[in-house]
Amino acid sequence: KQEVTQIPAALSVPEGENLVLNCSFTDSAIYNLQWFRQDPGKGLTSLLLIQSSQREQTSGRLNASLDKSSGRSTLYIAASQPGDSATYLCAVPSSGSARQLTFGSGTQLTVLP
Amino acid sequence: SAVISQKPSRDICQRGTSLTIQCQVDSQVTMMFWYRQQPGQSLTLIATANQGSEATYESGFVIDKFPISRPNLTFSTLTVSNMSPEDSSIYLCSGKGGGGFSVTQYFGPGTRLLVL
Repeated sequence: KQEVTQIPAALSVPEGENLVLNCSFTDSAIYNLQWFRQDPGKGLTSLLLIQSSQREQTSGRLNASLDKSSGRSTLYIAASQPGDSATYLCAVPSSGSARQLTFGSGTQLTVLP
Repeated sequence: SAVISQKPSRDICQRGTSLTIQCQVDSQVTMMFWYRQQPGQSLTLIATANQGSEATYESGFVIDKFPISRPNLTFSTLTVSNMSPEDSSIYLCSGKGGGGFSVTQYFGPGTRLLVL
């Protein structure tokens, strides 16, 4: 059974700092990994989808890396802004299933002005 | 990309009543899902909504409690039946195009439900 862990659970940084969020998963036989952002009381916004054949995916100030063999992914946020404050979730397709995503518990990020 | 909307965005309900949540996608998607996010928790899949047939429920979720309809490729409803305070959660609709593994999955804004 796939399990996804995110560390740290919460992170507070001053504006302008570069930061890294971590995601690990137990079953390395994944097809892709997706990073989401969730604002308080809101739904999820897809940030990046990184395929199993890729090592990195970039969108603006965001860069996601994937190391399948070690079961890890990182989300790098450059030059953080207060508007980046949100909970960041990573998710992978559950083992053998095309339909279910297994989510980590998220990292709650606060960027202080 | 797909834009997903949900109605209502939030509701406060009395114990024992039922609420139907609507999900509308702006384009045809192959797969639609319903997730639950309990307070302080991550997301848990309730079921896959199948067009024109019964939904596929995950362990711990049953049709009598969470009946789901999906009459076409862009619309689905989830009913939370005979509600109790334990049903207080955010309910999220999700969709993706194609049955493969390589496609981005999109989520609606969620329906925040409080049961008194």
